[in-house]
Amino acid sequence: GIQVEQSPPDLILQEGANSTLRCNFSDSVNNLQWFHQNPWGQLINLFYIPSGTKQNGRLSATTVATERYSLLYISSSQTTDSGVYFCAVDPRLVAGKSTFGDGTTLTVKP
Amino acid sequence: DTGVSQDPRHKITKRGQNVTFRCDPISEHNRLYWYRQTLGQGPEFLTYFQNEAQLEKSRLLSDRFSAERPKGSFSTLEIQRTEQGDSAMYLCASSPLGTRTEAFFGQGTRLTVV
Repeated sequence: GIQVEQSPPDLILQEGANSTLRCNFSDSVNNLQWFHQNPWGQLINLFYIPSGTKQNGRLSATTVATERYSLLYISSSQTTDSGVYFCAVDPRLVAGKSTFGDGTTLTVKP
Repeated sequence: DTGVSQDPRHKITKRGQNVTFRCDPISEHNRLYWYRQTLGQGPEFLTYFQNEAQLEKSRLLSDRFSAERPKGSFSTLEIQRTEQGDSAMYLCASSPLGTRTEAFFGQGTRLTVV
């Protein structure tokens, strides 16, 4: 099956700093999502981005499908950005099961 | 609609007992998914339904696990004869029909087997 690798595994930042999280995948995908897992365990949708670029406030994401990677950018980080960020991919056009990476744990210090 | 809802949020059970979890998807979503997440890992796919039909099951879903979605609305996941290795977060998600659709997750049920 498809392999998903996220980097870095851990990231520690000072409040106000910018960061880039990466998701590499081993095969073509038709569905790709970025999530933030809050301290209570819920996965919060950040972006649905099988290709192209999207922005939402301080967050933006880019997927280069032909090169099999996606990037999540966080600018002017805040302590509330702390948590685990996951990317999830599915090679099928009609979404069925997604394969998740192991996540990037972000800690933003005040 | 308040999103995907899971019940209970936490469950502590003794080894060997049976447990059942419930998931209520977003009302207009035809697809429903179950995932399991252990500490330090990303969620792993267990099974998914389109309406009431169970279309795919992972090899992770041993014969002690069964999932149903009898009327194409809510779903239940039952674990029989629980083992300590079943301790995990069980996550439910739903999505609409169609291609290139976004999935939304519930808050999860955290199971601890003692």
